[in-house]
Amino acid sequence: DSGVTQTPKHLITATGQRVTLRCSPRSGDLSVYWYQQSLDQGLQFLIHYYNGEERAKGNILERFSAQQFPDLHSELNLSSLELGDSALYFCASSVAPNARDTIYFGEGSWLTVV
Amino acid sequence: DQQVKQNSPSLSVQEGRISILNCDYTNSMFDYFLWYKKYPAEGPTFLISISSIKDKNEDGRFTVFLNKSAKHLSLHIVPSQPGDSAVYFCVGGTDKLIFGTGTRLQVFP
Repeated sequence: DSGVTQTPKHLITATGQRVTLRCSPRSGDLSVYWYQQSLDQGLQFLIHYYNGEERAKGNILERFSAQQFPDLHSELNLSSLELGDSALYFCASSVAPNARDTIYFGEGSWLTVV
Repeated sequence: DQQVKQNSPSLSVQEGRISILNCDYTNSMFDYFLWYKKYPAEGPTFLISISSIKDKNEDGRFTVFLNKSAKHLSLHIVPSQPGDSAVYFCVGGTDKLIFGTGTRLQVFP
């Protein structure tokens, strides 16, 4: 158990819908990272927050947004969902404000868009 | 643009032998590298890292080698054990971590 909690673990939704994925970082960690893993793809970096502020952005679509709240949990919002958005979405956390530290992953949220 | 490439999607090795997982990268800005291991239904977990100023780092059965001129690194596992069967991700680090597509290692008895 990494200490990073992601909910829901599984989610099935229809195209055009909107979903929210939630992440609670390890106790004491200020950084939260979001990654997307599609079939046969590596983990694609989406976005990084540190203590409530956006630190780095990766290949995140405009239909996607994220935020980190004062209690340090984070949410990834996916809207106007398409079939290609079906993937495993990982959240990770670390203490440091940058990626120069081991990051700890949650178990992921499986999103299936039908 | 795949900055970190793992060209072998799978590798099968007999227990007790050496496993060698390879990785190539294109981004010269990476100043450190990591290997993560992932079991089914779990998130990736950190395995070992190496700074770009070094060419080797060892931790027990795991050794990572870095050849900066070739932009290549490799992970050696000696001896391989069945519990090592997992997907291994090569990761390049700058201000963010860039993951490769992974290599599925299977260690058979």
